[in-house]
Amino acid sequence: DAKTTQPTSMDCAEGRAANLPCNHSTISGNEYVYWYRQIHSQGPQYIIHGLKNNETNEMASLIITEDRKSSTLILPHATLRDTAVYYCIVRASGTYKYIFGTGTRLKVLA
Amino acid sequence: KAGVTQTPRYLIKTRGQQVTLSCSPISGHRSVSWYQQTPGQGLQFLFEYFSETQRNKGNFPGRFSGRQFSNSRSEMNVSTLELGDSALYLCASSRELAGGEDTQYFGPGTRLTVL
Repeated sequence: DAKTTQPTSMDCAEGRAANLPCNHSTISGNEYVYWYRQIHSQGPQYIIHGLKNNETNEMASLIITEDRKSSTLILPHATLRDTAVYYCIVRASGTYKYIFGTGTRLKVLA
Repeated sequence: KAGVTQTPRYLIKTRGQQVTLSCSPISGHRSVSWYQQTPGQGLQFLFEYFSETQRNKGNFPGRFSGRQFSNSRSEMNVSTLELGDSALYLCASSRELAGGEDTQYFGPGTRLTVL
């Protein structure tokens, strides 16, 4: 499974867009990029995933570079409740083993 | 639709005891995975079950075991507890879609404290 690299922490002003980068330079062709977040020791919450194309849902947008070696999760209008640890994971299709890195601790500031 | 449920939510045990944790997946989900989360090691994969069979296993000692029942519910067991087993134990379920594009949904976790 490919490994991911994320910044340890980021701050974002409330109401602004939060852009969380993830590097996955060793990703394989059949590996999906998944994003989860964990709010203070609750179970990780699924946010979004993608393979090649950019994706958007009600929570966020996922931008994957053309070479697929990196991606960015965008929270368009961050709120205080978005303060959490955000994990970027790559997972090969057909496997159910997520390898979590240390994630990015996002702090949304009032 | 109800999410993944885990019982109990909190547990306190002493060294040397054993513990069983339970996980009920989302209705219709057939794959169940278990993870351990500690401050020092972060989130680590324990094992994954599908159709009552263990398909994947992480790098944990044999004291950690699990099983899955025909209704997809799963249990994990830790024998001879050690202080280092204190952790948040997370269960995740997924549907097992054809083509491999599938998503794991996590439960709230069981907080185990070993004294």
